[in-house]
Amino acid sequence: GEDVEQSLFLSVREGDSSVINCTYTDSSSTYLYWYKQEPGAGLQLLTYIFSNMDMKQDQRLTVLLNKKDKHLSLRIADTQTGDSAIYFCAAAPGLGGSQGNLIFGKGTKLSVKP
Amino acid sequence: ETGVTQSPTHLIKTRGQQVTLRCSSQSGHNTVSWYQQALGQGPQFIFQYYREEENGRGNFPPRFSGLQFPNYSSELNVNALELDDSALYLCASSFGAGGRQETQYFGPGTRLLVL
Repeated sequence: GEDVEQSLFLSVREGDSSVINCTYTDSSSTYLYWYKQEPGAGLQLLTYIFSNMDMKQDQRLTVLLNKKDKHLSLRIADTQTGDSAIYFCAAAPGLGGSQGNLIFGKGTKLSVKP
Repeated sequence: ETGVTQSPTHLIKTRGQQVTLRCSSQSGHNTVSWYQQALGQGPQFIFQYYREEENGRGNFPPRFSGLQFPNYSSELNVNALELDDSALYLCASSFGAGGRQETQYFGPGTRLLVL
């Protein structure tokens, strides 16, 4: 089945760019997601990318997808202290997410130092 | 805000008890998925309900059961609670059609502590 891996921690200075990386195993996952979780809260959808795209940009967020290597990254430009949170990569296995479930990585804790 | 609500926000139970968690889906959505998030882990898929029927289940024992109602809200029931059931329980709503599920939007979660 699908497996999603992420590095666990990332620390950056305010104003720098952050890059969070993720790898997945199931090439049938046609949708890949990034969610943000602040302490004690649920998951907030940040962005997603369809597998026929290489890149998607949304304001300060840029998602890059290397389908050959099954590697996904999230770049946050001009990182702010309010971006401090845990970021989860998730894959939707099956064609068009037809399996219905999401497979999550363990999350990357982003710490932004002023 | 996603429009997905969950109740209660927090709950404390003892081992062996039973618990029911509730979720109201976002307007226009017909699917609810439930996830368990243990401390320091990513969410793990429990099951999904699509148009009142179970539509996929993760690796959870039968004491985890659910329901979906005609208004697409949902309940998660856990019987014979164990200490390891302590976690944040997240529900997500989405729209599904033709064997395909669209993006899932999460509620704030219910934090369950089993003593």
